[in-house]
Amino acid sequence: RKEVEQDPGPFNVPEGATVAFNCTYSNSASQSFFWYRQDCRKEPKLLMSVYSSGNEDGRFTAQLNRASQYISLLIRDSKLSDSATYLCVVNVWNGLTFGKGTHLIIQP
Amino acid sequence: NAGVTQTPKFRVLKTGQSMTLLCAQDMNHEYMYWYRQDPGMGLRLIHYSVGEGTTAKGEVPDGYNVSRLKKQNFLLGLESAAPSQTSVYFCASSSGRTGFNEQYFGPGTRLTVT
Repeated sequence: RKEVEQDPGPFNVPEGATVAFNCTYSNSASQSFFWYRQDCRKEPKLLMSVYSSGNEDGRFTAQLNRASQYISLLIRDSKLSDSATYLCVVNVWNGLTFGKGTHLIIQP
Repeated sequence: NAGVTQTPKFRVLKTGQSMTLLCAQDMNHEYMYWYRQDPGMGLRLIHYSVGEGTTAKGEVPDGYNVSRLKKQNFLLGLESAAPSQTSVYFCASSSGRTGFNEQYFGPGTRLTVT
């Protein structure tokens, strides 16, 4: 089983819709979790950290399920500017391990 | 405040040539990292540093060397470039313990080895 797995997509979603991604991780000792956003041909940037209690930042909600070893990202009222690749990131051994990313396309 | 900068932005090398990629950060971060990103592979850690004068191997260190002589700079060297090293290279830095703090990335260097 790969350390961090994501559905690569692409997810084609109409503007204004709600979209959710999941990410699974294999190491039960992982302690920190993040979602990064990467625009085409740009560097990754932190979108949000994922806490055990879940957290929300505007239209974005992240949740962690330690028992099933997955994290999720929910985007409500999606905007054209949300089109990007979303990277699931997990602290595994001595640093961060990045998933391959889920490609999201918001369509007008 | 420029954040993390990388030079060069683009480079084409012939097999066997050498080059050094420079990363600089002005945030006074202790930790710095070099990653490579290939299609379908995601970001993979090459080397990292937990402070000035220190370096450590990451997931894919073979064929690369690094140096951290100054806190603000982290250099990645390719001694004898191979086509398998064609990739986008990202440098990143963070303020605290690796794996627990936000990493700030540079804009990347696109390297092609022919």
